[in-house]
Amino acid sequence: GAVVSQHPSRVICKSGTSVKIECRSLDFQATTMFWYRQFPKKSLMLMATSNEGSKATYEQGVEKDKFLINHASLTLSTLTVTSAHPEDSSFYICSARVTPGQGTGYEQYFGPGTRLTVT
Amino acid sequence: EDKVVQSPLSLVVHEGDTVTLNCSYEVTNFRSLLWYKQEKKAPTFLFMLTSSGIEKKSGRLSSILDKKELFSILNITATQTGDSAVYLCAVAPGNEKLTFGTGTRLTIIP
Repeated sequence: GAVVSQHPSRVICKSGTSVKIECRSLDFQATTMFWYRQFPKKSLMLMATSNEGSKATYEQGVEKDKFLINHASLTLSTLTVTSAHPEDSSFYICSARVTPGQGTGYEQYFGPGTRLTVT
Repeated sequence: EDKVVQSPLSLVVHEGDTVTLNCSYEVTNFRSLLWYKQEKKAPTFLFMLTSSGIEKKSGRLSSILDKKELFSILNITATQTGDSAVYLCAVAPGNEKLTFGTGTRLTIIP
């Protein structure tokens, strides 16, 4: 149980294009999902908190117009990197928090990550 | 500002050894501490600790939390090469956003 999937696992795109990354909780409902970014040999940096049915909450320094987040259902959140540039190249990871009632409510499970390369 | 510090940063041991990884934290409104293992992809969940003094165990891995001294340890006994990974500690405060430590890179030599 508690499986989170991400799609695609790897994407290469040209500068100026937009890329959409999907995060799905496969066997549980997640009212809250989180989007992280990880640079090589560094820890995870939280970008935003995605809440089902409402606007995402962005961390300081993260451009909300550049990193569009949509959490339209209890099992799906999407992150769209708009007008991507080479400096956006990174490993993007989502996590999903178990909805209270299905567990303690505090566990977070991570997707396998999406490696974005912008050329 | 919430803070999570892991030590050591890197550890190299021989197969069969026992290792202890440390995680100390400073966080307002503590709720839980989580341990993850990260190999080449995203972190995989190991343990979640919410109460002091109660050991959580899964095979050769175990972990315990001390909420008075604000730290946790992760023990791995009889290490195997498959245990080589970065081990991440994260703290969930009241708002449930995880704050991660920088991780401990564990290398097991055959």
